[in-house]
Amino acid sequence: AQSVTQLGSHVSVSEGALVLLRCNYSSSVPPYLFWYVQYPNQGLQLLLKYTSAATLVKGINGFEAEFKKSETSFHLTKPSAHMSDAAEYFCAVSGGNTGFQKLVFGTGTRLLVSP
Amino acid sequence: NAGVTQTPKFRVLKTGQSMTLLCAQDMNHEYMYWYRQDPGMGLRLIHYSVGEGTTAKGEVPDGYNVSRLKKQNFLLGLESAAPSQTSVYFCASSSPQGYTEAFFGQGTRLTVV
Repeated sequence: AQSVTQLGSHVSVSEGALVLLRCNYSSSVPPYLFWYVQYPNQGLQLLLKYTSAATLVKGINGFEAEFKKSETSFHLTKPSAHMSDAAEYFCAVSGGNTGFQKLVFGTGTRLLVSP
Repeated sequence: NAGVTQTPKFRVLKTGQSMTLLCAQDMNHEYMYWYRQDPGMGLRLIHYSVGEGTTAKGEVPDGYNVSRLKKQNFLLGLESAAPSQTSVYFCASSSPQGYTEAFFGQGTRLTVV
């Protein structure tokens, strides 16, 4: 069974600072990993995904994430935070490509960006 | 270019009332899901469907029923609403392959008083 742990329910950064949101996964099969973003009062929108091609994945809005199998991690980064990045971020995992593969979400990290 | 559409967007129910949340997708996706989102708990899967006419239980199915009579629609029913069902409900759809992302609706904010 797959699971996801997101460290830190809230992360605060200043505008222009590095953003680092942590995600560790557990999976018995090679995983597919996703980062979603949720802006206030909206649904979830895909930021990026890892599907076993390149381990460094680039997404929208300048975000990227690196898949590290040895650390079972898929941390999300952005070199320079912008006020518009303030949102809640969810890491999710699904495993394999046979049968129904449930998408399992972490508990989310709220990113706060101060001027 | 609607994607996944949920109705209604907001609803207030009294304890014991019933209601149905409707989800429609126009992407011809096989899989559809209902999640609930509660503070500090992320998204938890209520029920899901892997095709027309099929449904299955997720993590937190108690108190909910679902139906998928047409491929594009997935209905979530509350037969007798309870305050514990106050939540934000999201519908999503996806292709069967595990590497494809799920597409989400805008959510339904339900309050049970």
